[in-house]
Formats: sequence, structure tokens, C-alpha cells
Amino acid sequence: NAGVTQTPKFRVLKTGQSMTLLCAQDMNHEYMYWYRQDPGMGLRLIHYSVGEGTTAKGEVPDGYNVSRLKKQNFLLGLESAAPSQTSVYFCASSRTGTLNQPQHFGDGTRLSIL
Amino acid sequence: SQQGEEDPQALSIQEGENATMNCSYKTSINNLQWYRQNSGRGLVHLILIRSNEREKHSGRLRVTLDTSKKSSSLLITASRAADTASYFCATVRTNAGKSTFGDGTTLTVKP
Repeated sequence: NAGVTQTPKFRVLKTGQSMTLLCAQDMNHEYMYWYRQDPGMGLRLIHYSVGEGTTAKGEVPDGYNVSRLKKQNFLLGLESAAPSQTSVYFCASSRTGTLNQPQHFGDGTRLSIL
Repeated sequence: SQQGEEDPQALSIQEGENATMNCSYKTSINNLQWYRQNSGRGLVHLILIRSNEREKHSGRLRVTLDTSKKSSSLLITASRAADTASYFCATVRTNAGKSTFGDGTTLTVKP
């Protein structure tokens, strides 16, 4: 049972480059989330989705875009990477919202921007 | 600022001892969740306590919630080296579909 899978696991980019992080879940969850985690800190919500075809902004959405074309996938895009976006990115899903539902996390994508 | 704040930031104990970490928050919540994160891995859900609950147990874990003080505590009894990890609380506000995480407590259990 794979759960939440993130690809790639590691990536190094140059400033100004673009890339897409992929998150896939096989639990038929409605809600999906993208977080970033900076050293010694907790998770900050970038964007989330309450269902296929929907997206919403979280706490730190600037510089990122997302898409949820299929229920099982949630993509996070960086159009023009900046050093401030160096971080570990986590995807999570939950059956419904986090009202009484736990989130299931992937193992993260470690992104460095030079 | 973050809704949930853990205390202490770091905790080091010997195997067999109990570990207690605390979480304080600022606004009314629907529930509070505790997660564990092993080094280099994603977060793993440990326990969820609803706002109308005061205490919850799961194996060696005991969570309490005091809504009047806007605080929660996580107690790990008879700790093991494998409990070494960072622990995060996440608060969910009423009518919200998303969580707000604190900065975590890093627990080191020495064998």
C-alpha cells in the first residue's frame, strides 16, 4: 500500500528555472495539501485542494501554482525558482477535511535553488 | 504567527524515562492532532483529540487537552530509543478544512 508518493525526492535548480513536483495518493482521499518545511520549523501550508478540479491558497502561496486535474494527483509548480524557495516540500492527503480526519504525508521533496 | 507552539523546543532523556511535551494555541479549535517526524521522513499521525475531549490514550501515548488554557500535552511513557523524533501539534479551527502546525519538539532518547 503506497499511500502518498512524491516525485522527485531531490532536485537542484538554478534561479529562474521552473519545475513541477508531483504528488500521488492511492487512498481515494478528497483533500490534498502542499506544505513547505524550513530548517527547525513546522509546516506551512502553500496550497490545498478539497476535491478534483479545485484549489485554494494556503498561508504562503506566492511563487507557486497548483493543479488537481485528477483526484489522485496534486501538482505543485514553481514558475521561476528563487533561492527563498529552497526547502523541503511535503504533500499530504486526508479523506475529508481535517475536521476529525488525520493527514497522511509523503516523504518529501528536498529542493535546493542556487 | 503559528497557531500552535510546542514547548520545549528540544528534550533529551534516557531510555525508560517519560517524555512530556506541550502545545499552546491562540484561537478556538475543533480538534488538535499530534504527529511524529523521523529524520528525513514525512509526518506520521499519532493521535487526534476533539475539543470536547479532555484525555486520550493510544498505547504508550497520553494526550490531554485543556481548552480553557488553550493547551495540550503529549506524554510518552517508558520511552525507547526508537521514539527519537520531532513531534508536532496541529490545530484545526472550527469549520476549517486545514491544519496549522507548530514548530515542533525534538526528542532524543538515549539508550
